[in-house]
Amino acid sequence: AQSVTQPDIHITVSEGASLELRCNYSYGATPYLFWYVQSPGQGLQLLLKYFSGDTLVQGIKGFEAEFKRSQSSFNLRKPSVHWSDAAEYFCAVDAGGTSYGKLTFGQGTILTVHP
Amino acid sequence: KAGVTQTPRYLIKTRGQQVTLSCSPISGHRSVSWYQQTPGQGLQFLFEYFSETQRNKGNFPGRFSGRQFSNSRSEMNVSTLELGDSALYLCASSREGAGELFFGEGSRLTVL
Repeated sequence: AQSVTQPDIHITVSEGASLELRCNYSYGATPYLFWYVQSPGQGLQLLLKYFSGDTLVQGIKGFEAEFKRSQSSFNLRKPSVHWSDAAEYFCAVDAGGTSYGKLTFGQGTILTVHP
Repeated sequence: KAGVTQTPRYLIKTRGQQVTLSCSPISGHRSVSWYQQTPGQGLQFLFEYFSETQRNKGNFPGRFSGRQFSNSRSEMNVSTLELGDSALYLCASSREGAGELFFGEGSRLTVL
């Protein structure tokens, strides 16, 4: 069965510092990959997605992610974190095929930003 | 363009009752998916509907059901509520049920 692992449950960074959130997936083929962000009491907002092609994808709010097939990873990065980036971040996988509407999510990484 | 709208946003029920949650997808989106989010289990897929047909289903008991109307709006129902059903229920829509999903803000259900 496919799975998504986010090794870091909680990360704390200072405002202005760089950020990398890790995501590893287990799946036979290359799935569709996503990063979502969730603020407290809110729904999920799509940050970026990878379907195929260029392995470095740009998203909203200055985020980017790099797909590395050899490592089955899709890590999220931001060069300079803002206090408003504090939220929970979820990596997700769509297996494609007949997995209509089904994303498999990681357990999430809570980001705290210190001033 | 309006986003995914879920109602109600908050509700409190007691064990044994049933609840119906509603979801209006983004205009033009024909696929609606439902997810349950809890602190212990995270985000779990419930089911997906497209053109009024359930195409995919997660591993939830039969107490959880849903339907989709001809205008693509969807409802999910939970019967005989249990304490463990307390969760944030998220609805997501997409054009075809593949690729990126757009989520609503959720319905927070508390079962007492």
